[in-house]
Amino acid sequence: QQPVQSPQAVILREGEDAVINCSSSKALYSVHWYRQKHGEAPVFLMILLKGGEQKGHEKISASFNEKKQQSSLYLTASQLSYSGTYFCGTGGADSWGKLQFGAGTQVVVTP
Amino acid sequence: EAGVAQSPRYKIIEKRQSVAFWCNPISGHATLYWYQQILGQGPKLLIQFQNNGVVDDSQLPKDRFSAERLKGVDSTLKIQPAKLEDSAVYLCASSPSSGPYNEQFFGPGTRLTVL
Repeated sequence: QQPVQSPQAVILREGEDAVINCSSSKALYSVHWYRQKHGEAPVFLMILLKGGEQKGHEKISASFNEKKQQSSLYLTASQLSYSGTYFCGTGGADSWGKLQFGAGTQVVVTP
Repeated sequence: EAGVAQSPRYKIIEKRQSVAFWCNPISGHATLYWYQQILGQGPKLLIQFQNNGVVDDSQLPKDRFSAERLKGVDSTLKIQPAKLEDSAVYLCASSPSSGPYNEQFFGPGTRLTVL
Protein backbone atom coordinates (compact mmCIF):
# COMPACT_ATOMS: atom_id res chain seq x y z
CA GLN A 1 0.00 0.00 0.00
CA GLN A 2 1.46 3.31 -1.11
CA PRO A 3 1.86 5.90 1.69
CA VAL A 4 -0.02 9.17 1.38
CA GLN A 5 1.94 12.40 1.42
CA SER A 6 0.58 15.83 2.25
CA PRO A 7 0.57 18.51 1.12
CA GLN A 8 1.00 17.76 -2.58
CA ALA A 9 2.86 21.02 -3.05
CA VAL A 10 4.05 23.96 -0.99
CA ILE A 11 5.56 27.32 -1.89
CA LEU A 12 7.82 28.98 0.66
CA ARG A 13 9.87 32.10 0.90
CA GLU A 14 13.44 31.76 2.04
CA GLY A 15 13.59 31.48 5.79
CA GLU A 16 10.08 30.10 6.22
CA ASP A 17 9.25 26.72 7.73
CA ALA A 18 7.18 23.83 6.37
CA VAL A 19 6.10 20.36 7.40
CA ILE A 20 5.61 17.41 5.05
CA ASN A 21 3.59 14.46 6.27
CA CYS A 22 3.68 10.81 5.26
CA SER A 23 0.89 8.49 6.40
CA SER A 24 0.52 4.77 6.02
CA SER A 25 -2.45 2.45 6.45
CA LYS A 26 -0.09 -0.41 7.31
CA ALA A 27 2.07 -0.86 10.38
CA LEU A 28 5.29 1.04 9.85
CA TYR A 29 8.74 -0.14 10.77
CA SER A 30 10.87 2.26 8.78
CA VAL A 31 10.44 5.55 6.97
CA HIS A 32 12.97 6.90 4.49
CA TRP A 33 12.99 10.44 3.18
CA TYR A 34 14.54 11.44 -0.15
CA ARG A 35 14.68 14.68 -2.13
CA GLN A 36 14.70 14.73 -5.91
CA LYS A 37 15.52 17.77 -7.98
CA HIS A 38 14.16 18.00 -11.49
CA GLY A 39 15.91 15.58 -13.82
CA GLU A 40 18.16 14.22 -11.07
CA ALA A 41 18.32 11.09 -8.94
CA PRO A 42 16.67 11.00 -5.51
CA VAL A 43 19.09 11.85 -2.72
CA PHE A 44 18.92 10.34 0.75
CA LEU A 45 17.88 12.65 3.60
CA MET A 46 16.89 10.55 6.61
CA ILE A 47 15.83 7.15 7.92
CA LEU A 48 13.59 6.71 10.94
CA LEU A 49 12.87 3.38 12.57
CA LYS A 50 10.14 2.28 14.92
CA GLY A 51 11.64 2.47 18.35
CA GLY A 52 13.38 5.77 17.80
CA GLU A 53 16.55 5.06 15.86
CA GLN A 54 17.29 7.50 13.12
CA LYS A 55 20.10 8.62 10.89
CA GLY A 56 20.47 11.29 8.33
CA HIS A 57 21.75 14.73 7.54
CA GLU A 58 22.27 17.01 10.51
CA LYS A 59 20.29 19.89 9.07
CA ILE A 60 17.21 17.76 8.44
CA SER A 61 14.76 16.85 11.18
CA ALA A 62 11.90 14.41 11.15
CA SER A 63 9.62 12.54 13.48
CA PHE A 64 7.98 9.10 13.56
CA ASN A 65 4.60 8.74 15.26
CA GLU A 66 3.99 5.02 15.77
CA LYS A 67 0.42 5.43 16.97
CA LYS A 68 -0.61 7.48 13.95
CA GLN A 69 1.55 5.45 11.53
CA GLN A 70 2.89 8.76 10.33
CA SER A 71 6.18 10.51 9.77
CA SER A 72 6.76 14.21 9.37
CA LEU A 73 9.70 16.01 7.76
CA TYR A 74 10.46 19.50 9.01
CA LEU A 75 11.97 22.10 6.71
CA THR A 76 13.22 24.83 9.01
CA ALA A 77 14.51 28.22 7.90
CA SER A 78 14.22 27.05 4.30
CA GLN A 79 16.92 27.81 1.75
CA LEU A 80 16.69 27.99 -2.03
CA SER A 81 18.50 24.64 -2.18
CA TYR A 82 15.57 22.98 -0.39
CA SER A 83 13.49 23.18 -3.57
CA GLY A 84 12.64 19.82 -5.06
CA THR A 85 10.23 16.95 -4.68
CA TYR A 86 10.31 15.12 -1.36
CA PHE A 87 9.42 11.44 -1.26
CA CYS A 88 8.82 9.24 1.72
CA GLY A 89 9.38 5.51 1.44
CA THR A 90 7.85 3.18 3.99
CA GLY A 91 8.81 -0.35 4.92
CA GLY A 92 7.65 -3.14 7.18
CA ALA A 93 9.81 -5.14 9.55
CA ASP A 94 10.04 -8.02 7.12
CA SER A 95 10.53 -5.92 4.02
CA TRP A 96 14.22 -6.67 3.38
CA GLY A 97 14.61 -2.96 2.85
CA LYS A 98 11.82 -2.87 0.27
CA LEU A 99 10.16 0.56 0.24
CA GLN A 100 6.79 1.78 -0.97
CA PHE A 101 7.19 5.40 -2.06
CA GLY A 102 4.55 8.10 -1.82
CA ALA A 103 3.62 10.33 -4.74
CA GLY A 104 5.83 13.12 -3.48
CA THR A 105 5.53 16.67 -2.19
CA GLN A 106 6.79 19.41 -4.45
CA VAL A 107 8.54 22.19 -2.55
CA VAL A 108 9.39 25.52 -4.14
CA VAL A 109 11.45 28.01 -2.17
CA THR A 110 11.49 31.51 -3.56
CA PRO A 111 13.85 34.40 -2.76
CA GLU B 1 33.67 7.07 -4.06
CA ALA B 2 32.01 6.52 -7.42
CA GLY B 3 28.24 6.55 -7.43
CA VAL B 4 25.74 4.28 -9.14
CA ALA B 5 26.26 4.33 -12.89
CA GLN B 6 23.50 3.78 -15.43
CA SER B 7 23.39 3.72 -19.19
CA PRO B 8 22.04 4.83 -21.50
CA ARG B 9 20.72 8.07 -20.03
CA TYR B 10 18.03 8.43 -22.68
CA LYS B 11 16.36 5.98 -25.01
CA ILE B 12 13.59 6.44 -27.56
CA ILE B 13 12.02 3.36 -29.13
CA GLU B 14 8.83 2.39 -30.88
CA LYS B 15 6.27 0.17 -29.25
CA ARG B 16 6.89 -3.56 -29.61
CA GLN B 17 10.65 -2.99 -29.80
CA SER B 18 12.98 -4.27 -27.11
CA VAL B 19 15.32 -2.26 -24.91
CA ALA B 20 17.92 -2.95 -22.24
CA PHE B 21 19.28 -0.84 -19.42
CA TRP B 22 22.53 -1.33 -17.55
CA CYS B 23 23.43 -0.52 -13.95
CA ASN B 24 26.74 -0.64 -12.11
CA PRO B 25 26.17 -0.24 -8.34
CA ILE B 26 28.55 1.25 -5.81
CA SER B 27 31.45 -1.11 -5.21
CA GLY B 28 30.75 -3.54 -2.41
CA HIS B 29 27.01 -2.94 -2.27
CA ALA B 30 25.22 -6.25 -1.97
CA THR B 31 21.70 -5.02 -2.62
CA LEU B 32 20.52 -3.64 -5.94
CA TYR B 33 17.10 -2.25 -6.81
CA TRP B 34 15.39 -1.35 -10.08
CA TYR B 35 12.60 1.22 -9.90
CA GLN B 36 10.17 2.59 -12.47
CA GLN B 37 9.27 6.25 -12.00
CA ILE B 38 6.41 7.53 -14.11
CA LEU B 39 6.22 11.30 -14.49
CA GLY B 40 4.66 12.89 -11.43
CA GLN B 41 4.83 9.73 -9.32
CA GLY B 42 7.14 8.20 -6.77
CA PRO B 43 9.54 5.39 -7.65
CA LYS B 44 7.91 1.96 -7.88
CA LEU B 45 10.08 -1.05 -7.05
CA LEU B 46 10.33 -3.54 -9.90
CA ILE B 47 12.93 -5.95 -8.56
CA GLN B 48 15.39 -6.26 -5.69
CA PHE B 49 18.55 -8.35 -5.75
CA GLN B 50 20.64 -9.46 -2.81
CA ASN B 51 24.02 -10.32 -4.35
CA ASN B 52 22.95 -12.30 -7.44
CA GLY B 53 19.71 -13.65 -6.01
CA VAL B 54 16.23 -12.14 -6.39
CA VAL B 55 14.68 -11.03 -3.09
CA ASP B 56 11.50 -9.45 -4.48
CA ASP B 57 10.09 -9.23 -7.98
CA SER B 58 6.42 -9.12 -7.09
CA GLN B 59 5.80 -5.94 -9.08
CA LEU B 60 7.81 -6.87 -12.14
CA PRO B 61 5.60 -7.50 -15.21
CA LYS B 62 7.26 -10.77 -15.99
CA ASP B 63 5.56 -11.24 -19.34
CA ARG B 64 7.68 -8.42 -20.77
CA PHE B 65 10.28 -7.39 -18.19
CA SER B 66 13.32 -9.38 -17.15
CA ALA B 67 16.35 -8.58 -15.05
CA GLU B 68 19.55 -10.27 -14.07
CA ARG B 69 22.52 -9.58 -11.90
CA LEU B 70 25.32 -11.83 -12.96
CA LYS B 71 28.18 -12.31 -10.50
CA GLY B 72 26.37 -10.10 -8.00
CA VAL B 73 27.69 -6.84 -9.43
CA ASP B 74 26.32 -5.26 -12.63
CA SER B 75 22.70 -5.65 -13.55
CA THR B 76 20.60 -5.36 -16.70
CA LEU B 77 16.88 -4.73 -17.03
CA LYS B 78 15.19 -5.65 -20.28
CA ILE B 79 11.79 -4.86 -21.73
CA GLN B 80 10.52 -6.97 -24.60
CA PRO B 81 8.22 -5.93 -26.21
CA ALA B 82 7.79 -2.37 -25.00
CA LYS B 83 4.39 -0.72 -24.60
CA LEU B 84 3.47 2.95 -24.57
CA GLU B 85 2.82 2.79 -20.82
CA ASP B 86 6.44 1.76 -20.22
CA SER B 87 7.53 5.35 -20.86
CA ALA B 88 9.19 6.33 -17.59
CA VAL B 89 12.50 6.90 -15.89
CA TYR B 90 14.14 3.65 -14.79
CA LEU B 91 16.20 4.15 -11.66
CA CYS B 92 18.79 1.80 -10.30
CA ALA B 93 19.75 2.02 -6.64
CA SER B 94 22.13 0.13 -4.40
CA SER B 95 22.73 -0.23 -0.69
CA PRO B 96 25.42 -1.93 1.39
CA SER B 97 22.99 -4.66 2.39
CA SER B 98 19.29 -5.29 2.66
CA GLY B 99 17.30 -4.24 5.69
CA PRO B 100 15.35 -1.20 6.80
CA TYR B 101 18.31 0.81 8.14
CA ASN B 102 20.27 1.05 4.91
CA GLU B 103 19.87 4.12 2.77
CA GLN B 104 19.60 3.60 -0.95
CA PHE B 105 21.95 5.35 -3.34
CA PHE B 106 20.29 6.14 -6.65
CA GLY B 107 21.80 6.37 -10.09
CA PRO B 108 20.91 9.15 -12.56
CA GLY B 109 18.30 6.99 -14.27
CA THR B 110 17.44 6.12 -17.86
CA ARG B 111 14.60 8.08 -19.41
CA LEU B 112 12.66 5.79 -21.76
CA THR B 113 10.21 7.15 -24.29
CA VAL B 114 8.06 4.63 -26.16
CA LEU B 115 6.42 5.99 -29.31
